[in-house]
Amino acid sequence: NAGVTQTPKFRVLKTGQSMTLLCAQDMNHEYMYWYRQDPGMGLRLIHYSVGEGTTAKGEVPDGYNVSRLKKQNFLLGLESAAPSQTSVYFCASSYSPPGAGYTFGSGTRLTVV
Amino acid sequence: EDQVTQSPEALRLQEGESSSLNCSYTVSGLRGLFWYRQDPGKGPEFLFTLYSAGEEKEKERLKATLTKKESFLHITAPKPEDSATYLCAATVNFGNEKLTFGTGTRLTIIP
Repeated sequence: NAGVTQTPKFRVLKTGQSMTLLCAQDMNHEYMYWYRQDPGMGLRLIHYSVGEGTTAKGEVPDGYNVSRLKKQNFLLGLESAAPSQTSVYFCASSYSPPGAGYTFGSGTRLTVV
Repeated sequence: EDQVTQSPEALRLQEGESSSLNCSYTVSGLRGLFWYRQDPGKGPEFLFTLYSAGEEKEKERLKATLTKKESFLHITAPKPEDSATYLCAATVNFGNEKLTFGTGTRLTIIP
């Protein structure tokens, strides 16, 4: 039982390059989320999805796009990377109704130089 | 603006020395208060959900409690393996479960 799998685990990008982070879950969860974690800032929500084919903006969506074409996958795209996007990115998923908490992936450490 | 504040930022305890971590929240209409544990280089791991003031939940050496303004994570007789960062989060909308996280308390248990 893999839970939530994020790929890649590490990546270094040059400013202006693009990339896609992949999140896959095998728990049949409806809800999926992308967070970024920065020192002293805590986890901040980038985008989220409440079901296949749906996406919505979170707290810090600028510079990112997402897609949820299949229920088990949630993709996070950076079209033109900036140094300010250097961070650790976490994907999470959860059931509805709430209360059981999120299941998080192990994270992607992204450095933009 | 919804806000979750955790204190202290870091805490060092001797093995067996009990203590508490604090999570204060200012949100409009709390629907759920969550505690997570995060080990270095890993994603957060769910511990507890609390829904209403007065509620308590326990798991091994951990007990979480909730009042109308704050939550406490009590650690009784901790062991070195309890060393981790503990995160608190709140949600006001069960329709999408968006969580507002605190910045965490980094707990170190010294053998």
